[in-house]
Amino acid sequence: GAVVSQHPSRVICKSGTSVKIECRSLDFQATTMFWYRQFPKKSLMLMATSNEGSKATYEQGVEKDKFLINHASLTLSTLTVTSAHPEDSSFYICSASRGAPGANVLTFGAGSRLTVL
Amino acid sequence: GDSVTQMEGPVTLSEEAFLTINCTYTATGYPSLFWYVQYPGEGLQLLLKATKADDKGSNKGFEATYRKETTSFHLEKGSVQVSDSAVYFCALTATDSWGKLQFGAGTQVVVTP
Repeated sequence: GAVVSQHPSRVICKSGTSVKIECRSLDFQATTMFWYRQFPKKSLMLMATSNEGSKATYEQGVEKDKFLINHASLTLSTLTVTSAHPEDSSFYICSASRGAPGANVLTFGAGSRLTVL
Repeated sequence: GDSVTQMEGPVTLSEEAFLTINCTYTATGYPSLFWYVQYPGEGLQLLLKATKADDKGSNKGFEATYRKETTSFHLEKGSVQVSDSAVYFCALTATDSWGKLQFGAGTQVVVTP
């Protein structure tokens, strides 16, 4: 079946540094990927929609300059948290779409836990 | 805006017990409704879905019926197993926002032998 891999699964960094999280579709091409953020005991919040070869579309309230999203190929999207601060500590999850738009066939990665000291 | 509310956990059950997780939603139009499951250390997996009123989604012994009159999509299973221990998320996507899922907070289910 379809597999989406996220790397790293856990990362700890110092405040002020930048961290890159990768989301790869391993056995299918994903024209669209979605990035979510999950706070402890809270639901997943959609951050942005990433389309291959074009700029990401950010949800209201999400700082596009802090959360840089790149979708350079049909199998890879990256989320870079720039100048990270402790409040950016969270669980980041990506999903990738396969099939025609509207088919709602989404595959999720296992998530990446970011801790900013 | 659209929202999903589901019962808080954790829900602790004995094996072979009946499981119900309540989910209600607020949305304009006719959303599609989903239940996702997240096993420890794994990504979210689609458990079942329903795309229109009165549809029943089912998978692995789990069922949920799209009830427009009560804006609900409660998840049920008649006899749970220890392997059903996971976090369950109710979610919706609006008809014009394909792929953009609105999730509930998740309900942790713990099944004991």
